Amino acid sequence: DQQVKQNSPSLSVQEGRISILNCDYTNSMFDYFLWYKKYPAEGPTFLISISSIKDKNEDGRFTVFLNKSAKHLSLHIVPSQPGDSAVYFCAASDRGGGSNYKLTFGKGTLLTVNP
Amino acid sequence: SQTIHQWPATLVQPVGSPLSLECTVEGTSNPNLYWYRQAAGRGLQLLFYSVGIGQISSEVPQNLSASRPQDRQFILSSKKLLLSDSGFYLCAWSTAGGPRNEQFFGPGTRLTVL
Repeated sequence: DQQVKQNSPSLSVQEGRISILNCDYTNSMFDYFLWYKKYPAEGPTFLISISSIKDKNEDGRFTVFLNKSAKHLSLHIVPSQPGDSAVYFCAASDRGGGSNYKLTFGKGTLLTVNP
Repeated sequence: SQTIHQWPATLVQPVGSPLSLECTVEGTSNPNLYWYRQAAGRGLQLLFYSVGIGQISSEVPQNLSASRPQDRQFILSSKKLLLSDSGFYLCAWSTAGGPRNEQFFGPGTRLTVL
């Protein structure tokens, strides 16, 4: 059972436009969400996170929005740059249930930003 | 600053052979440590995590095992590799204290089992 879902395996956008990456989750106990960026043959790097007590967190060109009622979060990249081309993973964690140390990842979305 | 190392970077092993992948972290004490696998076309699957020396939690049944002989050393092993063990193995660390601390990943090991 996939608790974190990224339903779009790939996304292609033009340089300078907005990239919107989506993520849905099913576990209502999740209270912290993260986005990671991964280039081929490298480990993922942390991008941005959001706590469930917030609905928006912004860091430069990256903004994450959280809609708890819909169990949905999205990552906006504005403006998109060719160097943003990578696989983006959504991840979630919960503090209860004895799982304080685990992140549950989605399958990732491959973003391609065309010059 | 903290750094995380993994080796080897790539490995090609025959079916039935043993495996040992090593991960070390520098610049922090008592980190939480994690082993993930990314199989082709799939997301990151948590295999093991450790909150201290000798403390290992397994997430999925498999023929792999993990050990933490020192505070900042995490080892992934197998006695006999299967074809299905092929994948990209990632080690990660986080500061102790819970999930609000981000996990930081190593460069990964590409394992091909033939």
